[in-house]
Amino acid sequence: AQSVTQLGSHVSVSEGALVLLRCNYSSSVPPYLFWYVQYPNQGLQLLLKYTTGATLVKGINGFEAEFKKSETSFHLTKPSAHMSDAAEYFCAVSERGGGNKLTFGTGTQLKVEL
Amino acid sequence: GAVVSQHPSWVICKSGTSVKIECRSLDFQATTMFWYRQFPKQSLMLMATSNEGSKATYEQGVEKDKFLINHASLTLSTLTVTSAHPEDSSFYICSAYRDLAKNIQYFGAGTRLSVL
Repeated sequence: AQSVTQLGSHVSVSEGALVLLRCNYSSSVPPYLFWYVQYPNQGLQLLLKYTTGATLVKGINGFEAEFKKSETSFHLTKPSAHMSDAAEYFCAVSERGGGNKLTFGTGTQLKVEL
Repeated sequence: GAVVSQHPSWVICKSGTSVKIECRSLDFQATTMFWYRQFPKQSLMLMATSNEGSKATYEQGVEKDKFLINHASLTLSTLTVTSAHPEDSSFYICSAYRDLAKNIQYFGAGTRLSVL
């Protein structure tokens, strides 16, 4: 069984500040890990994913995440927040050989203030 | 890039009626599609896996007779909410894999269902 925990349902940062959204996962097999962003009344857009190889993954819009197996974490960061980054962010996990089903975290609402 | 289209984007219906939501893969063939349900300010919950040419696989707790899924072609899956009630009001989102090997799901924009 797999699960995802996102610490902090709401995160608020100032424009230009560092963004850090936390994600911890549980998986019985090596996982695939994802971050998705959702804008109001829209579907999900993939920000980045980790499957194998380099543990530091770069995605779109300046976001990146690092897979840390020892900490079972996959935190999302961006050096400098922009107003357009305000959205809901979901961390998700799927298990290799698990039918490619995604399990989502509860989401983190990012607010960017002037 | 891959595009998944959902229709309608918003639907209001009376209690007791049925509503059909379509999910189309516009520029690729999808043998597998997924249907999710999202309550306000909550995460996405997988409802079922839709398989082209065969029966859908439902997650535990999802009523098969309530949420009918048909995947009649490689580019279209439909979700029918039968005899809808106010508690079925939610945001429904579909997704599809363009390339299973790349393990990326592409999501539709979602359908907001409001049952009066």
